[in-house]
Amino acid sequence: SQTIHQWPATLVQPVGSPLSLECTVEGTSNPNLYWYRQAAGRGLQLLFYSVGIGQISSEVPQNLSASRPQDRQFILSSKKLLLSDSGFYLCAWKPPTSGGSTDTQYFGPGTRLTVL
Amino acid sequence: QKEVEQDPGPLSVPEGAIVSLNCTYSNSAFQYFMWYRQYSRKGPELLMYTYSSGNKEDGRFTAQVDKSSKYISLFIRDSQPSDSATYLCAMSVPNTGNQFYFGTGTSLTVIP
Repeated sequence: SQTIHQWPATLVQPVGSPLSLECTVEGTSNPNLYWYRQAAGRGLQLLFYSVGIGQISSEVPQNLSASRPQDRQFILSSKKLLLSDSGFYLCAWKPPTSGGSTDTQYFGPGTRLTVL
Repeated sequence: QKEVEQDPGPLSVPEGAIVSLNCTYSNSAFQYFMWYRQYSRKGPELLMYTYSSGNKEDGRFTAQVDKSSKYISLFIRDSQPSDSATYLCAMSVPNTGNQFYFGTGTSLTVIP
């Protein structure tokens, strides 16, 4: 069965500090990978998605970046955090788009980031 | 107009009640419809998944899609305190691969 991991679970960082959040998926190959941010009462905001190693698409201009150095590893980064970067960050995966695959996302446990 | 609209609640019901959660949408190309359950400070968990119109039942949960009205529902029978969570609807267009549209979530509390 497939499993998705995120770490750290909780993070408190000062404004202007760097950020690195990691997501890994087990039990599948060539998944589509996603980073979302969830603010209180505001739903899920898609930040980045990736259909393969080194292939990153950005949905929202911001001071965040993403990388996919390995097939099942997705990293969210920032060089300098802003107060507005606080939120709940969720990684998700989906089976690769192909005939017969289900169009369903599966989420990780999330990272709660507080920027002070 | 948002792609997906969902009443945020909060919704509070007594244990054993039937709960109805709903979403409306504007894009007629949506074919996949999902419901997620999210407990406080946890990631969303896939609860139900349906393709196109019709009903799907899984235990106490029934997902219903009415494409003519662009309306989807999740029914919870014999609600339990453990059902207390935020419920998110989501939908997508087939084979586009990457864009999922989420409701903002409905907060449900089941009172013992």
